[in-house]
Amino acid sequence: DTEVTQTPKHLVMGMTNKKSLKCEQHMGHRAMYWYKQKAKKPPELMFVYSYEKLSINESVPSRFSPECPNSSLLNLHLHALQPEDSALYLCASSHGVRDRGPNSPLHFGNGTRLTVT
Amino acid sequence: DAKTTQPNSMESNEEEPVHLPCNHSTISGTDYIHWYRQLPSQGPEYVIHGLTSNVNNRMASLAIAEDRKSSTLILHRATLRDAAVYYCILRPTYGNKLVFGAGTILRVKS
Repeated sequence: DTEVTQTPKHLVMGMTNKKSLKCEQHMGHRAMYWYKQKAKKPPELMFVYSYEKLSINESVPSRFSPECPNSSLLNLHLHALQPEDSALYLCASSHGVRDRGPNSPLHFGNGTRLTVT
Repeated sequence: DAKTTQPNSMESNEEEPVHLPCNHSTISGTDYIHWYRQLPSQGPEYVIHGLTSNVNNRMASLAIAEDRKSSTLILHRATLRDAAVYYCILRPTYGNKLVFGAGTILRVKS
């Protein structure tokens, strides 16, 4: 079990669908992250939210739209995806840079396995 | 982002120590050295991190070279549950960016 909960665990969607991935944590963390991981590859950073504001966007295509409605929740809205977007999507959280000092470790969820057909 | 270099894979016997090396010759003075591991079918898990001094916790030890251009993660007694991909990552002191490299696949034999 992890302290970062991701739903759903698995998702199959067509290229014309709109879906959302959800991530929740109750550790009081103020930084939240989305990563994408293809099979047998390391996780790739997509977005970082810091104190509910988007602070890093690693040039991710606009068909991926992140949202941080409050300090405990992080969503990733998906629209018009391509088959090559099929991957494991990982959410993580950590203390904010203004809390508990710098370099707080990240806590990861177990991901949502996304298949785009 | 500063780069790290790790062996693609390593093998260890159960209950023996494991030393996982990482080279980071372009490390800056404000970069922390982080280690994470990823077990099969799970998200990455934090293992340990340090700046200049060696660090110990319940999972592992981190030995950092004096010039900080390399480090070694030490698992004192490998178990089958330690079989995972181990990632060595450099992270700026004040920043949220954590960028994974290729990692080392650790196999543990019984």
